[in-house]
Amino acid sequence: DTGVSQNPRHKITKRGQNVTFRCDPISEHNRLYWYRQTLGQGPEFLTYFQNEAQLEKSRLLSDRFSAERPKGSFSTLEIQRTEQGDSAMYLCASSFEAPFIYGYTFGSGTRLTVV
Amino acid sequence: TQLLEQSPQFLSIQEGENLTVYCNSSSVFSSLQWYRQEPGEGPVLLVTVVTGGEVKKLKRLTFQFGDARKDSSLHITAAQPGDTGLYLCALPGNQFYFGTGTSLTVIP
Repeated sequence: DTGVSQNPRHKITKRGQNVTFRCDPISEHNRLYWYRQTLGQGPEFLTYFQNEAQLEKSRLLSDRFSAERPKGSFSTLEIQRTEQGDSAMYLCASSFEAPFIYGYTFGSGTRLTVV
Repeated sequence: TQLLEQSPQFLSIQEGENLTVYCNSSSVFSSLQWYRQEPGEGPVLLVTVVTGGEVKKLKRLTFQFGDARKDSSLHITAAQPGDTGLYLCALPGNQFYFGTGTSLTVIP
């Protein structure tokens, strides 16, 4: 297993366009998390899945943000009608059900720039 | 309101110096984790502390969990340029809160 994989690594888009990011977690992990991070700040939790069930989505930043994990494997994060304020690093992480023991494994992130 | 406050926010030191960064909260936690993040990469787990007063060492890094389990510290001895990065404390859980981060630069 090569760890958590995120694609693309970089995305530049025009304001108003839709973007979709993909995350492939470690195959043995049943939990998957999405975060947003701005420069020099800690990651900000957005949502998480246990298998295919999205167990928390109230922290998604607006109704323009949505995430799916249709078969409990990879996940996608979509941002509709992007705004300049959406420019940030979007991180994905995966874990076993006991993250307080095993921790979280993060991908390298997708850096979004909205122009 | 931040659940976890880290200090200092920025730290720039010379190679060979010692440093301590802090993670504080008004709440009691069952466990806490420390991560390091290098530019352009995701955070990487360094340690998990679970017991009040616990001290863990990882080479030149010493982690301590406060007796009341409301704070933690990370001490680095003889810092090296490879220690440069963003140090994050975090509360493992369903929503997994991160602290505000300490950006460390070690100058050769």
